[in-house]
Amino acid sequence: DAGVIQSPRHEVTEMGQEVTLRCKPISGHDYLFWYRQTMMRGLELLIYFNNNVPIDDSGMPEDRFSAKMPNASFSTLKIQPSEPRDSAVYFCASSLSGTTYNEQFFGPGTRLTVL
Amino acid sequence: GDSVTQMEGPVTLSEEAFLTINCTYTATGYPSLFWYVQYPGEGLQLLLKATKADDKGSNKGFEATYRKETTSFHLEKGSVQVSDSAVYFCALSEDAGKSTFGDGTTLTVKP
Repeated sequence: DAGVIQSPRHEVTEMGQEVTLRCKPISGHDYLFWYRQTMMRGLELLIYFNNNVPIDDSGMPEDRFSAKMPNASFSTLKIQPSEPRDSAVYFCASSLSGTTYNEQFFGPGTRLTVL
Repeated sequence: GDSVTQMEGPVTLSEEAFLTINCTYTATGYPSLFWYVQYPGEGLQLLLKATKADDKGSNKGFEATYRKETTSFHLEKGSVQVSDSAVYFCALSEDAGKSTFGDGTTLTVKP
């Protein structure tokens, strides 16, 4: 099992540029989560999907952030335009419903630096 | 709503010391409880879990017992190693959807 795959692993961009982060969940998982982690704010849930449908996007900081899940094996998180305060590590996680534990499986993260 | 409160860090211990990281939770139902660990430069990974009262989760020498009466799930290890240095997150899940995470506790083990 390849686990959750995220790309790129590192992204450096300039303020105002569009940034797209990508995630491939574990095959067969029906939940997908996007998190942001910073020293100041810790781990924050941005949005999550069930069967490709967004369920709760209340954690998305503002309209500059958008997320899509066009199919069960792919999701994107887009920031347009990017700002220095968006610098963080962004994690994608997936889980499978119908199990006893509902544990989440995290990807390795994308470290975003906005200059 | 659901919430998880973890012992504030950072925690610094000498190798072979005993570790306890406290975790208490608030939930409306009967959640599953988890400890996740995050090593430097990596994502979170599940360390151990428990689904019902008095269950004990264990892995890699770490243990935690689901205490419904005190709404707690404290993490313990009898003898820590330098390789245990990481950030530890307590979490709960009430259904198949999202989990609620604590703020994380950074553990540093010195040789």
